[in-house]
Amino acid sequence: AQTVTQSQPEMSVQEAETVTLSCTYDTSESDYYLFWYKQPPSRQMILVIRQEAYKQQNATENRFSVNFQKAAKSFSLKISDSQLGDAAMYFCAYNAINNDMRFGAGTRLTVKP
Amino acid sequence: DGGITQSPKYLFRKEGQNVTLSCEQNLNHDAMYWYRQDPGQGLRLIYYSQIVNDFQKGDIAEGYSVSREKKESFPLTVTSAQKNPTAFYLCAIKTGGTEAFFGQGTRLTVV
Repeated sequence: AQTVTQSQPEMSVQEAETVTLSCTYDTSESDYYLFWYKQPPSRQMILVIRQEAYKQQNATENRFSVNFQKAAKSFSLKISDSQLGDAAMYFCAYNAINNDMRFGAGTRLTVKP
Repeated sequence: DGGITQSPKYLFRKEGQNVTLSCEQNLNHDAMYWYRQDPGQGLRLIYYSQIVNDFQKGDIAEGYSVSREKKESFPLTVTSAQKNPTAFYLCAIKTGGTEAFFGQGTRLTVV
């Protein structure tokens, strides 16, 4: 079964600085998708960024970017110019086509003013 | 969000009672999912359905039941067999086999 591991239960960053959240996954599939979701205190799950495994280019969405290393099965999220509103739980997720989506245990990000 | 409605937002259950959590979507997607989230933890899959009248167990299906009689609806029943039901429950739809979009969740508490 596919597994997703987030090894950092908590991280903190100074406002305006950069932070990287780590994620590794295990799969035997060759075609799949990876995601980062944000869960603020409201508990609403918000999609931050997605990466298709067949694409070598790392995905970028404004201040959010990923470092996707397919051979190493690694998928880290970099948040640049951190803002107070970035404080939340962040979940890494894996999904193969027509399969269920698997989530990591999450990383709680604190942003210090 | 985005056409996924979970109700109620808060639900209280007495010991031994069955309760049903509602999940409705108007996005015309086939795949729907139920996840359970415990404090400080990730999401664990309870059940999922990829088509009407069909559903599969996830990792923690014991003590739960579902139905999928309509494409728009995927209700989750927490039965008395679920010994530790207090948790946050999230319903999701999956688009084109890729990302999931979530409802706003239901907080279930046993009293």
